Formats: sequence, structure tokens, C-alpha cells
Amino acid sequence: QKEVEQDPGPLSVPEGAIVSLNCTYSNSAFQYFMWYRQYSRKGPELLMYTYSSGNKEDGRFTAQVDKSSKYISLFIRDSQPSDSATYLCAMSAVRNAGNMLTFGGGTRLMVKP
Amino acid sequence: DSGVTQTPKHLITATGQRVTLRCSPRSGDLSVYWYQQSLDQGLQFLIHYYNGEERAKGNILERFSAQQFPDLHSELNLSSLELGDSALYFCASSVFSGADTQYFGPGTRLTVL
Repeated sequence: QKEVEQDPGPLSVPEGAIVSLNCTYSNSAFQYFMWYRQYSRKGPELLMYTYSSGNKEDGRFTAQVDKSSKYISLFIRDSQPSDSATYLCAMSAVRNAGNMLTFGGGTRLMVKP
Repeated sequence: DSGVTQTPKHLITATGQRVTLRCSPRSGDLSVYWYQQSLDQGLQFLIHYYNGEERAKGNILERFSAQQFPDLHSELNLSSLELGDSALYFCASSVFSGADTQYFGPGTRLTVL
């Protein structure tokens, strides 16, 4: 079983919809949580970075972390066709030396005009 | 544009050959990370260098090696290439070595024939 699980989708929504993307994880040592957006054949682009449990909002994006349930979410409000991409959750643990990100498999999102 | 540069963009080679992928981190970043992205394995951490020193290793094959030079650019060497090594290889950089946001480059697409 993978450390980080993510529904691969594809998730298809109409323009303007609220999108909910989720990841579950098994490693309780993870404390830093990120969401990346990746357009086809491009490098992942950092969207949100959160530490420990709680919510963080940035424009149309809201990230939620529930460490007790080992569950993180990304909400996209007023979704746009330009939001169509693959969304990757990533996590890392505090380490004395070295820092590696563990990624979910990604969810492909399609926003239809 | 994340500020991380990678060359070449595409590389096509034959089985058994050796290639070198190059990465220049963002200005001021001391850490460089290498990741491999394939369809079946997703985005996987390979290795982390901080200011010229290796800090962490992931599932990196013995045929693969990396180094970070005094000017902080990094190279990933892949030798005795196999068909299964065909993938996107991403470099990321961050300022420090600990839990820190990582910014990804555009990637190098390697095709082994």
C-alpha cells in the first residue's frame, strides 16, 4: 500500500463549480503538506503549503489538513477551464538532514466551459 | 516560471547508453532535489543535495548517480539505460535543507529505445 493515496480521477466539473480534491496518508510523521498543480508535460507548480492541521486560504484555493484522520483536501472555488490540470498532493516529515517529498498519484481535473 | 532550469528538454537514447541531465537551481537556493515521474510509479524522490553534500537518498538505482557542484548546479547521471528508465526527470530547489518549499523545473523527458 502506498504511503499517500489519491483518487486518480478524472474529475469533470462545469465552469464555476466548487472542486474538492483529497488525499489520505498512512505515515503519522508527515507534518508538512503541499498541493502542486501540473499541466501536461510541465513541471509541478506549488499552489499551497501548510504545516500541521488547520486551514489555509489563498484566493480561490483553500487547503485543509486533518492530521487526526490523516486526510488533506484542496478546495477550488469558482473553477475555471484554466484550472484543468493534474493536482498532486505532497507531504514531508521533519528530518534532521535531508528533505524528501512523498507524492500522491495525482488527480486529473477537467473544468468544462 | 519557477526559476529552476533543466537541460536538455528532451533526450532520446538507446539501451545500454549513459546520459547526463543538468539542473540549475533558483538564485539563492542551496538545495537541489531530483525526482522521477513515470506513468506507473508517479512522482518519486531520487536524491537530495545541499550545498554540495548528499543529504538524502530515495529509491535511486545504483546505475544512477548525482552530484552538486560548487556553483550549486547539479547533474544526474544515468548509465546502462533500460527501457524502464524512460520517464520525466524533474529537478527541484529550495533555500534550505530542512522542511522547505520546493520549486520544480520544467523537467527532462528521457526516452530509451
